[in-house]
Amino acid sequence: QVQLVQSGAEVKKPGSSVKVSCKASGGTFSSYAISWVRQAPGQGLEWMGGIVPIFGTPNYAQKFQGRVTITADESTSTAYMELSSLRSEDTAVYYCARDVSGSWGYWYFDLWGRGTLVTVSS
Amino acid sequence: DIQMTQSPSTLSASVGDRVTITCRASQSISSWLAWYLQKPGKAPKLLIYKASSLESGVPSRFSGSGSGTEFTLTISSLQPDDFATYYCQQYNSFPYTFGQGTKLEIK
Repeated sequence: QVQLVQSGAEVKKPGSSVKVSCKASGGTFSSYAISWVRQAPGQGLEWMGGIVPIFGTPNYAQKFQGRVTITADESTSTAYMELSSLRSEDTAVYYCARDVSGSWGYWYFDLWGRGTLVTVSS
Repeated sequence: DIQMTQSPSTLSASVGDRVTITCRASQSISSWLAWYLQKPGKAPKLLIYKASSLESGVPSRFSGSGSGTEFTLTISSLQPDDFATYYCQQYNSFPYTFGQGTKLEIK
């Protein structure tokens, strides 16, 4: 059974960067889309961007364009999300989530990681 | 960006009740809509995709309907495990967007 295993919690200083990983274990990886969705404390869900590893080119929400980088390493079945120029408002749980269609677009998420808490504090 | 608006924001109901949550899109999204349930401290769980298709393993008391700009999630007979926050998500076009959530509370 496929699971998405995320890296552990991070505490970062304002202005720094964070890189969160998401490893797909127990199944294929390259043909799925992996997205990153964040949730600030007590708030709703926010899609940041996603990638289909076999296509390689990610799509980012305009809000995060220039600050976020999403990559995938097919050899290790791992996706990464790096967010730079961190500010306190970036404190959130960051989830990776899978879409099984393998298409470019029309992604809904049938499998989620457990989330990675990123705290931005001086 | 497509705005997704859920109503109500909070809903109080009892075990056995039939409840309906509405999600409206700021423009037509055809049937490209998903519903999720989230419990505190947990990741969201997919319930419904393509507006009305039930995800495998999800109880049949959950159903979805709608197309275009208006959608509903119905729970036919609430069970104790259903008290949670529900989100809709449009996946018609990038950037994907979620509704603000509907918290279903025990009356």
